[in-house]
Amino acid sequence: QQPVQSPQAVILREGEDAVINCSSSKALYSVHWYRQKHGEAPVFLMILLKGGEQKGHEKISASFNEKKQQSSLYLTASQLSYSGTYFCGTEGYNTDKLIFGTGTRLQVFP
Amino acid sequence: NAGVTQTPKFQVLKTGQSMTLQCAQDMNHEYMSWYRQDPGMGLRLIHYSVGAGITDQGEVPNGYNVSRSTTEDFPLRLLSAAPSQTSVYFCASSYDKGRGGYTFGSGTRLTVV
Repeated sequence: QQPVQSPQAVILREGEDAVINCSSSKALYSVHWYRQKHGEAPVFLMILLKGGEQKGHEKISASFNEKKQQSSLYLTASQLSYSGTYFCGTEGYNTDKLIFGTGTRLQVFP
Repeated sequence: NAGVTQTPKFQVLKTGQSMTLQCAQDMNHEYMSWYRQDPGMGLRLIHYSVGAGITDQGEVPNGYNVSRSTTEDFPLRLLSAAPSQTSVYFCASSYDKGRGGYTFGSGTRLTVV
């Protein structure tokens, strides 16, 4: 039931792009994306509800392919402030639970 | 507007002791959840609630109890603490399913010795 995230870790230079993937074996009602910095609580980035939906937040955007039960988070022209661990969370149609993946650690260097 | 408030921030327990982690939100959110976070394990759902008087189990509910008597409060009780319950605990709340994301509290770091 837990969504699978890939890759587990990403190392970038400032200005480079990255893609983080999230997939589920179950039909998805929604996909959430959160960022957590070391020693802090997770912070909500965006939620995707409809198949094929894309949303954006600053230079961070995401897509949701309902048929494939997959979502991808796109980070473009990365900044040092993007460093942290990114989690996807998924909600099914017949459940009110938000279940998180194991996370992707992103490190951005100057 | 304080958001989600968790107390205490740090706690050390002896094996077998019981305690309650407090969580309160002032955003009139119906959905509230408790997660534990262990290194390399991500965020695992313990219990959740979709409104006052309604609670249900998550992925790892054993050893924990919850109740939801008001919309604002969602305490988590450890019945008999074990070293395996050493973790960081986060409370989170949301307005409704599919209507925005969850707001997290700052967490409680619990050590059981």
